[in-house]
Amino acid sequence: SQTIHQWPATLVQPVGSPLSLECTVEGTSNPNLYWYRQAAGRGLQLLFYSVGIGQISSEVPQNLSASRPQDRQFILSSKKLLLSDSGFYLCAWSGAFREQFFGPGTRLTVL
Amino acid sequence: DAKTTQPPSMDCAEGRAANLPCNHSTISGNEYVYWYRQIHSQGPQYIIHGLKNNETNEMASLIITEDRKSSTLILPHATLRDTAVYYCIVRLPGYNTDKLIFGTGTRLQVFP
Repeated sequence: SQTIHQWPATLVQPVGSPLSLECTVEGTSNPNLYWYRQAAGRGLQLLFYSVGIGQISSEVPQNLSASRPQDRQFILSSKKLLLSDSGFYLCAWSGAFREQFFGPGTRLTVL
Repeated sequence: DAKTTQPPSMDCAEGRAANLPCNHSTISGNEYVYWYRQIHSQGPQYIIHGLKNNETNEMASLIITEDRKSSTLILPHATLRDTAVYYCIVRLPGYNTDKLIFGTGTRLQVFP
């Protein structure tokens, strides 16, 4: 069966520091992968999606970047965090009917 | 994606069936109905999807009306752990951007 992992689970970082969040998927090959952010009490915002290795599409211009160095690995990064980058970051992969399966998420607090 | 309308909240007694309605009167012929839920402080969880036939899996049943303008998600024996916000989404499975846009959903409270 398929599983999706994210780490770390929680993170507290100072403004201006770098960021690297990792997501890996097991049990499937060539999945579509997604990074979402959910601010407190708000809906999901799609940040990036990827249909294959090295293929990244950005949904909104922002302080973040994404990379897909391997088929089942998706990384979210920032060179300098802003206060507004705080939120709940979710990685997801999609199945044959584009149903999306989410990871446990990373709760990021930027101070 | 077609617009959906859901009641803002519902209550259900533990052990009873929870029936969550969704209206999607502008659905087009090849759009699917998806249901997700989000338990507090967790990521969204996929529940079920369907096109026009009723569907059942280990989590729930999905009943879609013959005209496809509405559907009902059924949790046959609700437990306290089913307390969550339930989202009905109507969309066409695509091959590029598949961003999920959640509406306000239905907040289901299961009580003992």
